[in-house]
Amino acid sequence: EVQLLESGGGLVQPGGSLRLSCAASGFTFSSYAMSWVRQAPGKGLEWVSAISDSGGSTYYADSVKGRFTISRDSSKNSLYLQMNNLRADDTAVYYCAKRSADYWGQGTLVTVSS
Amino acid sequence: DIVMTQAPLSSPVTLGQPASISCRSSQSLVHSDGNTYLSWLQQRPGQPPRLLVYKISNRFSGVPDRFSGSGAGTDFTLKISRVEAEDVGVYYCTQATQFPYTFGQGTKLEIK
Repeated sequence: EVQLLESGGGLVQPGGSLRLSCAASGFTFSSYAMSWVRQAPGKGLEWVSAISDSGGSTYYADSVKGRFTISRDSSKNSLYLQMNNLRADDTAVYYCAKRSADYWGQGTLVTVSS
Repeated sequence: DIVMTQAPLSSPVTLGQPASISCRSSQSLVHSDGNTYLSWLQQRPGQPPRLLVYKISNRFSGVPDRFSGSGAGTDFTLKISRVEAEDVGVYYCTQATQFPYTFGQGTKLEIK
């Protein structure tokens, strides 16, 4: 059974940093691209970032480019999102997803507020 | 960026009746590899999204056959043959043909 478990969310002040993690199980993690998608409270889905199966290629939404960094560690079956210089409009539930949308985790809430 | 436009944004449906959601993309979703990476997601209240249909018309594992997808190029449709109470939620189309991946605004399905 495919499982994705996000962690690392929380309350952070504007300008601060957070690192999200996604622990994957139930599939060969190193064989699949992975994505981060976020959902602001009461709003729709917004794609944030993706990484190739090897980790050699990364992609970002313009809204986070230069501030967020996606990475993966296949030895730990884990996906990461390093978020720097956070802004209020980054407040959202962050989901990791296998490929673009095959399977989704339960999400982790990031709140950016002073 | 490819803009995904859904209609309607809200759909009150009677139990047992059909429902249909339209999704239009601002440019063709045909990838250079010949595939069309258009998917449909369901998000029940308080839950993460769940994949229903991928590459226009392929039902994902465990998805009831009352859900079907169709379309080509820039126009796509999700149909529910007979709506059940558990189908209440928000439905999104999404494209993974070109970065940045994009989503429709969502269609809220509710029971009349």
